[in-house]
Amino acid sequence: GIQVEQSPPDLILQEGANSTLRCNFSDSVNNLQWFHQNPWGQLINLFYIPSGTKQNGRLSATTVATERYSLLYISSSQTTDSGVYFCAGYGGSQGNLIFGKGTKLSVKP
Amino acid sequence: GAGVSQSPRYKVTKRGQDVALRCDPISGHVSLYWYRQALGQGPEFLTYFNYEAQQDKSGLPNDRFSAERPEGSISTLTIQRTEQRDSAMYRCASSLAITGELFFGEGSRLTVL
Repeated sequence: GIQVEQSPPDLILQEGANSTLRCNFSDSVNNLQWFHQNPWGQLINLFYIPSGTKQNGRLSATTVATERYSLLYISSSQTTDSGVYFCAGYGGSQGNLIFGKGTKLSVKP
Repeated sequence: GAGVSQSPRYKVTKRGQDVALRCDPISGHVSLYWYRQALGQGPEFLTYFNYEAQQDKSGLPNDRFSAERPEGSISTLTIQRTEQRDSAMYRCASSLAITGELFFGEGSRLTVL
């Protein structure tokens, strides 16, 4: 079936620490995206990353489509990084974007 | 516009009333999606359009929910005879190309009393 699974479900970090969030997806999912839902509820685009590696400041992402996973790296975390990180991919021929359950990140000062 | 615009941002209604939620996508975006998000959960797919054609409505919970995008731009999600369980954040998103990067609006928070 069409699946997008994220790990870990929860993560607590001290400010300044680095972290890696993982997203596994099934065969029929493609065109991965990463979003950050901040504590105010806004869904913010981080990366559109069907394959390869992209970097934006302290954040970077890698998708290895042949092995069906994507990783989001957060370096030197800040309290403003807190929130829920979602990965999502388009589900085969249906074309709808399927979300994982998210990783809830809390960065402590 | 600069981003996806949704209105109203907040809607409080009484059980049994009909509500209409509006989405104005980014100009020129072909695809438009509707999602629902309950507190503490991820977005749940409802329906999507390519241009004016509704491609998939398999996520609509029941026949009280409907959506349209008559001219391939603005879309309306209508919920008839609202129930308390319909209370949630309703999110709209658009993308320039089919299966392209999706951009979300601020959402419409619906509360049914």
